[in-house]
Amino acid sequence: DAKTTQPNSMESNEEEPVHLPCNHSTISGTDYIHWYRQLPSQGPEYVIHGLTSNVNNRMASLAIAEDRKSSTLILHRATLRDAAVYYCILIDTGTASKLTFGTGTRLQVTL
Amino acid sequence: GAVVSQHPSWVICKSGTSVKIECRSLDFQATTMFWYRQFPKQSLMLMATSNEGSKATYEQGVEKDKFLINHASLTLSTLTVTSAHPEDSSFYICSARDDRYQPQHFGDGTRLSIL
Repeated sequence: DAKTTQPNSMESNEEEPVHLPCNHSTISGTDYIHWYRQLPSQGPEYVIHGLTSNVNNRMASLAIAEDRKSSTLILHRATLRDAAVYYCILIDTGTASKLTFGTGTRLQVTL
Repeated sequence: GAVVSQHPSWVICKSGTSVKIECRSLDFQATTMFWYRQFPKQSLMLMATSNEGSKATYEQGVEKDKFLINHASLTLSTLTVTSAHPEDSSFYICSARDDRYQPQHFGDGTRLSIL
């Protein structure tokens, strides 16, 4: 699976929107972009995924660049409960399609 | 939403003991289950992938005789850490999915401490 690059950490104020970037310049045409997050002392939680078009769900929005070489996870109003490590992962569902976790972005949310 | 239950949440036992961890999908059929290990301040590392009714596929460097995986039904997979030693102490996490186009759903993890 192609590699992703994320900032090690980001900070946000509560109630503010948060934009978490992910670069994946070697993405292939069959790679899906998945986002998971891991709260402290818990297993990861699925957030959202997409292929080419922007996606919205109750948790977040995923904005995918036109050339697909980058994407942004958008939390519209951060809360303290959103403090977690966010992982951007590419998955080729045509092959092994297993998740390979990188180091992710640690999001801190402050009052 | 899809729920995966992992049990127990934490285990403390003596060196040499074998420990079994259960992973159940509560509201969907898990054709594929995954087992991960996570050391403090590190990311998750995939240990093995199992498909229902088949032998597990282990990642490079993971001892299959040490970490026994059974996936005998569409809702249950077990990981047995045989003759556990202090270096096996870690956070073990399972996940499950029904087909490869769907996201994985994770359990809450099992914290294993070997004394």
